[in-house]
Order: sequence, then structure tokens, then C-alpha cells
Amino acid sequence: EAGVAQSPRYKIIEKRQSVAFWCNPISGHATLYWYQQILGQGPKLLIQFQNNGVVDDSQLPKDRFSAERLKGVDSTLKIQPAKLEDSAVYLCASSLIRRNTGELFFGEGSRLTVL
Amino acid sequence: DAKTTQPPSMDCAEGRAANLPCNHSTISGNEYVYWYRQIHSQGPQYIIHGLKNNETNEMASLIITEDRKSSTLILPHATLRDTAVYYCIVKGNAGGTSYGKLTFGQGTILTVHP
Repeated sequence: EAGVAQSPRYKIIEKRQSVAFWCNPISGHATLYWYQQILGQGPKLLIQFQNNGVVDDSQLPKDRFSAERLKGVDSTLKIQPAKLEDSAVYLCASSLIRRNTGELFFGEGSRLTVL
Repeated sequence: DAKTTQPPSMDCAEGRAANLPCNHSTISGNEYVYWYRQIHSQGPQYIIHGLKNNETNEMASLIITEDRKSSTLILPHATLRDTAVYYCIVKGNAGGTSYGKLTFGQGTILTVHP
């Protein structure tokens, strides 16, 4: 079974530029998550989708971050304009809608460096 | 979801059992204990979860105290590849569309040495 795919693995940009990250979840997984992990910290949820609808985006900085999952499969996370503090690893995860397992499958992440 | 407390770091000799503790004194009756780990430069990986009974799978064992206020993850024969950050997470499975969300803390850095 193929895992969660993310690209690019690494991206370096200057502040005020824009960047986009792509995620392809495991086939059949209805729920998709984007997490931000700053160096030395645990991952923090940015946004959660169920199919193509947003379930939770309470911690997404909506003035500069946006995410979409138009057909309920792939997802894109965009940052525009980037700030220095956006330097982090952006992790995508997916899961089945199954009440009692709660197992999330994570991709390897996209590492963003903002100069 | 209830807060968890873990030691920031632990060491273990290769081949020995690694016992990672977690305190979750404010856990409520419908909240599960989950363990994930994150190996360097990889995404977190699910290990095990439980409600109140002890659980075992091919990766680890989870021991939950009777009052459910703490738990221990046991890696029975640690290898160098088990060096990682281990996260203990308490999460409700009460339903609703956001039930899957995980809230990560700082975790425990486990170093397995030869």
C-alpha cells in the first residue's frame, strides 16, 4: 500500500515570497490533515479536511496560509507571503473515518526554509 | 483533550527493554492513550493505543494504570533503529468530525546506545 506522498521535500525561499506544498493521501482515506512542525517542537495541526470540506482550521493563520482539497483527494497548502517564522516542516497525514482507531498516517514532510 | 507529561529524554542500552512513562492525570473516561514516534527526518508513526486494558502489538506494549492517570510504553528489546522522539497523546473518540485530531506535546527523546 502506497503511503502519504508529499512534495517538494525541501524548499528555500526568501521572505515575502510564496510557496505551495502538495499532498496525496492514502487511497480511500477521507480525512486529511496538515501539520506544522517547528524545529524542536511537536507537530501542530493547521487544518483538517473531511472529504473536500474543512472540519477544523482554527490554528491556520488565514491572512497568509490557505489550503484546499477540491476533489476530496489531493490537497495543496499555500503560504503567501512567507515570513521567517514559517520556517518549519509541513506534514500531511490522512486517516479513515473510523471511530476507535484514530491512526493517522503521515508523509515524510516538506521542509521549508525562509531566508 | 487531556494534557500529558513526559520526561524530555531517556537512554536505553541496545537489547534491553525501554520503558517510557507518561502522566495524564486529567484523563476522562472516554479518552484513549495513543503513542506515536518520530524518527529523525520522518513523519510521526503510530505505535499503539489503549483505553484501560493493557495492549500489545508487534511493536510495543502499553501498560495503563488502573486509575488511568499514567501509562508506560514498553519496547521489549530496543534496537538502534528505535532511537526517536516518542509522543504520548490523550484523545477522545467520542465521535464528531474532528475526533481524529492529534495534539502533540514535546515528547521524549529516546536514545538507544550500543
